[in-house]
Amino acid sequence: GENVEQHPSTLSVQEGDSAVIKCTYSDSASNYFPWYKQELGKRPQLIIDIRSNVGEKKDQRIAVTLNKTAKHFSLHITETQPEDSAVYFCAALGNTGKLIFGQGTTLQVKP
Amino acid sequence: EADIYQTPRYLVIGTGKKITLECSQTMGHDKMYWYQQDPGMELHLIHYSYGVNSTEKGDLSSESTVSRIRTEHFPLTLESARPSHTSQYLCASRGIGGSGYTFGSGTRLTVV
Repeated sequence: GENVEQHPSTLSVQEGDSAVIKCTYSDSASNYFPWYKQELGKRPQLIIDIRSNVGEKKDQRIAVTLNKTAKHFSLHITETQPEDSAVYFCAALGNTGKLIFGQGTTLQVKP
Repeated sequence: EADIYQTPRYLVIGTGKKITLECSQTMGHDKMYWYQQDPGMELHLIHYSYGVNSTEKGDLSSESTVSRIRTEHFPLTLESARPSHTSQYLCASRGIGGSGYTFGSGTRLTVV
């Protein structure tokens, strides 16, 4: 069945360092890959997304890359700040119309 | 403001009670979803709907039921709550065009 694997499950970085979270999906028909940020006690919020006809997308300090051949996509956060601390979820949209979520990565940015 | 709304925000109830968690969206989205999530943990799909009178069970077995009589409304009902139902329940919706989900703020349920 459809599956998305996300790594690492926890990530701790110093403020100002970069953070990278990686996901692998199983459904080759997936064509849309969003990333969500969930702060403590809050709802998941869409922070960036990428479609299958694009290899990379940037929005200020965050970027997402997609390798369709390898079925990998990654979130890159540069110059991390304490307010980036949250749980991040990747997801892949398949032809079933459902988003398949990864297991989540808890990012801690230490001041 | 177009958004997705969940009520109540917090709920503490006794074992055996019947409860309904409300979810409404004002974005005209056709697809709606219910997820169960323990704090900071994985999102587990329990029900979804692709339109009025269409409902499906998700990947996680659940003793809840849903209905979709109106496009904007997708309530979830637990006929007999148990302590194992203690969790956060998140509602989400998606419109035509393949964009991501919009999540509601969730209902944190505690069954005592």
